[in-house]
Amino acid sequence: QKEVEQNSGPLSVPEGAIASLNCTYSDRGSQSFFWYRQYSGKSPELIMFIYSNGDKEDGRFTAQLNKASQYVSLLIRDSQPSDSATYLCAVGTGNQFYFGTGTSLTVIP
Amino acid sequence: DVKVTQSSRYLVKRTGEKVFLECVQDMDHENMFWYRQDPGLGLRLIYFSYDVKMKEKGDIPEGYSVSREKKERFSLILESASTNQTSMYLCASSLWLPIGPADFGDGTRLSIL
Repeated sequence: QKEVEQNSGPLSVPEGAIASLNCTYSDRGSQSFFWYRQYSGKSPELIMFIYSNGDKEDGRFTAQLNKASQYVSLLIRDSQPSDSATYLCAVGTGNQFYFGTGTSLTVIP
Repeated sequence: DVKVTQSSRYLVKRTGEKVFLECVQDMDHENMFWYRQDPGLGLRLIYFSYDVKMKEKGDIPEGYSVSREKKERFSLILESASTNQTSMYLCASSLWLPIGPADFGDGTRLSIL
């Protein structure tokens, strides 16, 4: 079983809709959870991170963490074509840090 | 803004060569990382360093070594390059713990012929 699992997609949403990206992880002791965005041909860039159960909002982005169910999600409100990218989930456990393989998102104008 | 600079964007080397990939960050970050990214496999950690002269193996250290003589510089060394080391190599840095990369360089696309 992989440490971090994401649906590879592609996920397509119309412009203005909410995009929902999900990630599950296998280690119950995981402590930190990160979302990165990676445009084609570019390096990943950190969007946000979350440590505690519940929601964390940053502009149009909301990270949701449910440790009991071992999943973390990223919601993108009012999706824009510029949000089209691959979104990487990453999970930290102690000194270990694992990335998922990413979900490809396309926002259709 | 933090800037992580990798010395080469594209590099072509031959099998058996010793290859050096250099990375420099300018924000006094404690932690630095080397990843490789391959289609379908995602980002995999090769080595990371949490302080000068300190290093820890990641998930796939075989065939690689690293050097961190100064805080701002973290070098990845392919001791004897092989074709299965053809990949995109990404350097990253971060300040906070628990460890996780915050800022990435532009990457080096390395081809081993």
